[in-house]
Amino acid sequence: EIVLTQSPGTLSLSPGERATLSCRASQSVSSSYLAWYQQKPGQAPRLLIYGASSRATGIPDRFSGSGSGTDFTLTISRLEPEDFAVYYCQQYGSSPTTFGQGTKVEIK
Amino acid sequence: EVQLVQSGAEVKKPGESLKISCKGSGYSFTSYWIGWVRQMPGKGLEWMGIIYPGDSDTRYSPSFQGQVTISADKSISTAYLQWSSLKASDTAMYYCARHLTVVTTDAFDIWGQGTMVTVSS
Repeated sequence: EIVLTQSPGTLSLSPGERATLSCRASQSVSSSYLAWYQQKPGQAPRLLIYGASSRATGIPDRFSGSGSGTDFTLTISRLEPEDFAVYYCQQYGSSPTTFGQGTKVEIK
Repeated sequence: EVQLVQSGAEVKKPGESLKISCKGSGYSFTSYWIGWVRQMPGKGLEWMGIIYPGDSDTRYSPSFQGQVTISADKSISTAYLQWSSLKASDTAMYYCARHLTVVTTDAFDIWGQGTMVTVSS
Protein backbone atom coordinates (compact mmCIF):
# COMPACT_ATOMS: atom_id res chain seq x y z
CA GLU A 1 0.00 0.00 0.00
CA ILE A 2 1.07 3.60 -0.50
CA VAL A 3 2.45 5.25 2.64
CA LEU A 4 1.87 9.00 2.95
CA THR A 5 4.29 11.00 5.11
CA GLN A 6 3.21 14.48 6.14
CA SER A 7 5.58 17.17 7.31
CA PRO A 8 6.05 18.96 9.53
CA GLY A 9 4.23 17.22 12.35
CA THR A 10 3.36 20.58 13.88
CA LEU A 11 3.44 24.03 12.34
CA SER A 12 3.40 27.01 14.71
CA LEU A 13 2.28 30.17 12.93
CA SER A 14 0.46 33.42 13.58
CA PRO A 15 -2.81 34.56 11.99
CA GLY A 16 -2.10 36.21 8.65
CA GLU A 17 0.95 34.08 7.95
CA ARG A 18 1.31 31.58 5.11
CA ALA A 19 1.19 27.87 5.86
CA THR A 20 2.85 25.27 3.65
CA LEU A 21 2.09 21.62 4.40
CA SER A 22 3.79 18.71 2.67
CA CYS A 23 2.57 15.20 1.82
CA ARG A 24 5.03 12.75 0.33
CA ALA A 25 3.97 9.36 -1.06
CA SER A 26 6.04 6.18 -1.06
CA GLN A 27 4.95 5.55 -4.66
CA SER A 28 3.50 7.72 -7.39
CA VAL A 29 -0.15 8.62 -6.80
CA SER A 30 -2.01 7.78 -9.96
CA SER A 31 -3.94 10.52 -11.73
CA SER A 32 -3.16 12.90 -8.87
CA TYR A 33 -5.86 11.26 -6.79
CA LEU A 34 -4.80 13.18 -3.69
CA ALA A 35 -7.12 14.91 -1.25
CA TRP A 36 -6.67 17.17 1.76
CA TYR A 37 -8.93 17.36 4.81
CA GLN A 38 -9.19 19.68 7.78
CA GLN A 39 -10.23 18.37 11.18
CA LYS A 40 -11.01 20.47 14.23
CA PRO A 41 -11.32 19.00 17.74
CA GLY A 42 -14.58 17.13 18.24
CA GLN A 43 -15.54 17.44 14.58
CA ALA A 44 -15.57 15.18 11.55
CA PRO A 45 -12.99 15.85 8.83
CA ARG A 46 -13.93 18.32 6.11
CA LEU A 47 -12.83 17.93 2.50
CA LEU A 48 -10.74 20.88 1.30
CA ILE A 49 -9.00 19.73 -1.87
CA TYR A 50 -9.44 16.78 -4.24
CA GLY A 51 -7.62 15.78 -7.39
CA ALA A 52 -4.52 17.42 -5.87
CA SER A 53 -5.64 20.96 -6.74
CA SER A 54 -9.43 21.28 -6.98
CA ARG A 55 -11.17 23.07 -4.14
CA ALA A 56 -14.23 21.40 -2.70
CA THR A 57 -17.55 23.25 -2.60
CA GLY A 58 -17.52 26.22 -0.24
CA ILE A 59 -13.78 26.15 0.49
CA PRO A 60 -12.20 29.64 0.55
CA ASP A 61 -9.63 30.42 -2.10
CA ARG A 62 -6.90 30.96 0.49
CA PHE A 63 -6.63 27.15 0.42
CA SER A 64 -4.75 25.73 -2.55
CA GLY A 65 -3.29 22.38 -3.45
CA SER A 66 -0.50 21.48 -5.81
CA GLY A 67 1.82 18.67 -6.76
CA SER A 68 1.92 15.41 -8.65
CA GLY A 69 3.63 12.04 -8.56
CA THR A 70 4.94 11.63 -5.04
CA ASP A 71 5.07 15.23 -3.74
CA PHE A 72 2.03 17.28 -2.84
CA THR A 73 1.52 20.57 -1.01
CA LEU A 74 -1.38 22.28 0.72
CA THR A 75 -0.93 26.04 1.03
CA ILE A 76 -3.01 28.36 3.17
CA SER A 77 -2.15 31.80 1.88
CA ARG A 78 -3.12 33.80 4.97
CA LEU A 79 -4.14 31.97 8.11
CA GLU A 80 -7.46 32.91 9.65
CA PRO A 81 -8.23 32.06 13.29
CA GLU A 82 -10.56 29.26 12.17
CA ASP A 83 -7.78 27.57 10.15
CA PHE A 84 -5.90 26.31 13.19
CA ALA A 85 -6.60 22.59 13.03
CA VAL A 86 -5.14 19.24 11.96
CA TYR A 87 -4.76 18.58 8.23
CA TYR A 88 -4.65 15.16 6.59
CA CYS A 89 -3.76 14.10 3.08
CA GLN A 90 -5.35 11.04 1.48
CA GLN A 91 -4.48 9.13 -1.67
CA TYR A 92 -7.30 7.30 -3.42
CA GLY A 93 -5.56 6.26 -6.62
CA SER A 94 -4.38 2.89 -5.34
CA SER A 95 -6.16 0.37 -3.20
CA PRO A 96 -6.29 0.51 -0.28
CA THR A 97 -6.89 4.22 0.16
CA THR A 98 -4.48 5.60 2.73
CA PHE A 99 -4.19 8.73 4.86
CA GLY A 100 -1.15 10.60 6.07
CA GLN A 101 -0.55 10.91 9.80
CA GLY A 102 -1.58 14.57 9.90
CA THR A 103 -0.04 18.01 10.40
CA LYS A 104 -1.24 20.18 13.25
CA VAL A 105 -1.32 23.89 12.54
CA GLU A 106 -1.22 25.70 15.88
CA ILE A 107 -1.24 29.31 16.95
CA LYS A 108 2.22 30.64 17.69
CA GLU B 1 -29.52 18.93 2.37
CA VAL B 2 -27.17 16.02 1.78
CA GLN B 3 -26.27 14.41 5.07
CA LEU B 4 -25.18 11.25 6.82
CA VAL B 5 -26.47 10.66 10.34
CA GLN B 6 -24.81 8.03 12.46
CA SER B 7 -26.12 6.07 15.42
CA GLY B 8 -25.18 7.06 18.94
CA ALA B 9 -22.22 6.26 21.15
CA GLU B 10 -21.79 2.69 22.37
CA VAL B 11 -20.14 1.18 25.44
CA LYS B 12 -19.50 -2.55 25.16
CA LYS B 13 -17.56 -5.32 26.84
CA PRO B 14 -14.83 -7.36 25.12
CA GLY B 15 -16.31 -10.27 23.20
CA GLU B 16 -19.66 -8.58 22.59
CA SER B 17 -21.06 -7.92 19.14
CA LEU B 18 -22.03 -4.53 17.75
CA LYS B 19 -23.58 -2.98 14.66
CA ILE B 20 -23.50 0.77 14.10
CA SER B 21 -25.39 2.61 11.40
CA CYS B 22 -25.15 5.51 8.99
CA LYS B 23 -28.31 6.86 7.36
CA GLY B 24 -28.05 8.91 4.20
CA SER B 25 -30.53 11.52 3.04
CA GLY B 26 -30.87 14.28 0.48
CA TYR B 27 -29.32 12.33 -2.39
CA SER B 28 -29.57 9.04 -4.29
CA PHE B 29 -28.24 6.67 -1.65
CA THR B 30 -27.78 3.78 -4.10
CA SER B 31 -25.54 5.78 -6.44
CA TYR B 32 -22.61 6.74 -4.22
CA TRP B 33 -20.06 4.60 -2.42
CA ILE B 34 -20.08 4.93 1.37
CA GLY B 35 -16.92 4.35 3.37
CA TRP B 36 -15.98 3.81 7.00
CA VAL B 37 -13.00 5.51 8.64
CA ARG B 38 -11.55 4.74 12.07
CA GLN B 39 -9.93 7.29 14.35
CA MET B 40 -8.43 5.89 17.52
CA PRO B 41 -8.15 8.30 20.47
CA GLY B 42 -5.65 11.03 19.71
CA LYS B 43 -4.64 9.39 16.43
CA GLY B 44 -5.09 9.83 12.68
CA LEU B 45 -7.58 8.58 10.13
CA GLU B 46 -7.66 4.99 8.85
CA TRP B 47 -9.65 3.87 5.82
CA MET B 48 -11.51 0.66 6.65
CA GLY B 49 -13.53 -0.06 3.54
CA ILE B 50 -16.35 0.99 1.27
CA ILE B 51 -19.69 -0.29 0.04
CA TYR B 52 -21.79 0.51 -2.99
CA PRO B 53 -25.37 0.42 -1.68
CA GLY B 54 -26.78 -0.14 -5.16
CA ASP B 55 -25.53 -3.73 -5.28
CA SER B 56 -23.67 -4.12 -1.93
CA ASP B 57 -20.28 -4.46 -3.67
CA THR B 58 -17.82 -4.13 -0.80
CA ARG B 59 -14.08 -3.47 -0.61
CA TYR B 60 -11.98 -3.76 2.55
CA SER B 61 -8.59 -2.52 3.61
CA PRO B 62 -6.35 -5.54 4.25
CA SER B 63 -5.91 -4.20 7.80
CA PHE B 64 -9.63 -4.60 8.48
CA GLN B 65 -10.56 -7.57 6.27
CA GLY B 66 -12.04 -10.28 8.48
CA GLN B 67 -12.19 -7.95 11.49
CA VAL B 68 -15.38 -6.10 10.58
CA THR B 69 -18.32 -6.43 8.20
CA ILE B 70 -19.67 -3.58 6.11
CA SER B 71 -23.22 -3.88 4.81
CA ALA B 72 -26.08 -1.73 3.58
CA ASP B 73 -29.87 -1.77 3.38
CA LYS B 74 -30.80 0.36 0.40
CA SER B 75 -34.50 0.19 1.27
CA ILE B 76 -33.84 2.42 4.27
CA SER B 77 -30.76 4.26 2.93
CA THR B 78 -28.55 2.95 5.71
CA ALA B 79 -25.04 1.54 5.81
CA TYR B 80 -23.67 -0.52 8.66
CA LEU B 81 -20.40 -1.46 10.31
CA GLN B 82 -20.42 -4.49 12.55
CA TRP B 83 -18.20 -6.55 14.80
CA SER B 84 -18.85 -10.11 15.94
CA SER B 85 -16.45 -10.01 18.87
CA LEU B 86 -15.17 -6.65 20.08
CA LYS B 87 -11.71 -6.07 21.53
CA ALA B 88 -10.45 -3.22 23.66
CA SER B 89 -8.37 -2.10 20.69
CA ASP B 90 -11.62 -1.41 18.78
CA THR B 91 -12.16 1.62 21.02
CA ALA B 92 -12.30 4.52 18.57
CA MET B 93 -14.45 7.06 16.79
CA TYR B 94 -15.93 5.63 13.60
CA TYR B 95 -16.99 7.89 10.75
CA CYS B 96 -19.01 7.04 7.70
CA ALA B 97 -18.43 9.20 4.65
CA ARG B 98 -19.72 9.47 1.09
CA HIS B 99 -17.65 9.53 -2.05
CA LEU B 100 -17.49 12.87 -3.87
CA THR B 101 -18.70 11.28 -7.12
CA VAL B 102 -20.14 7.95 -8.21
CA VAL B 103 -16.77 6.38 -9.06
CA THR B 104 -15.19 3.54 -7.08
CA THR B 105 -12.12 5.45 -5.92
CA ASP B 106 -12.70 8.96 -4.68
CA ALA B 107 -12.34 11.48 -1.90
CA PHE B 108 -15.01 11.75 0.80
CA ASP B 109 -17.06 14.92 0.63
CA ILE B 110 -19.89 14.24 3.08
CA TRP B 111 -19.13 12.87 6.55
CA GLY B 112 -21.29 11.60 9.35
CA GLN B 113 -20.90 13.07 12.82
CA GLY B 114 -19.08 9.98 14.06
CA THR B 115 -19.96 7.16 16.44
CA MET B 116 -17.77 6.66 19.48
CA VAL B 117 -17.31 3.01 20.38
CA THR B 118 -15.80 2.21 23.78
CA VAL B 119 -14.86 -1.37 24.60
CA SER B 120 -13.97 -1.94 28.23
CA SER B 121 -14.43 -4.64 30.82
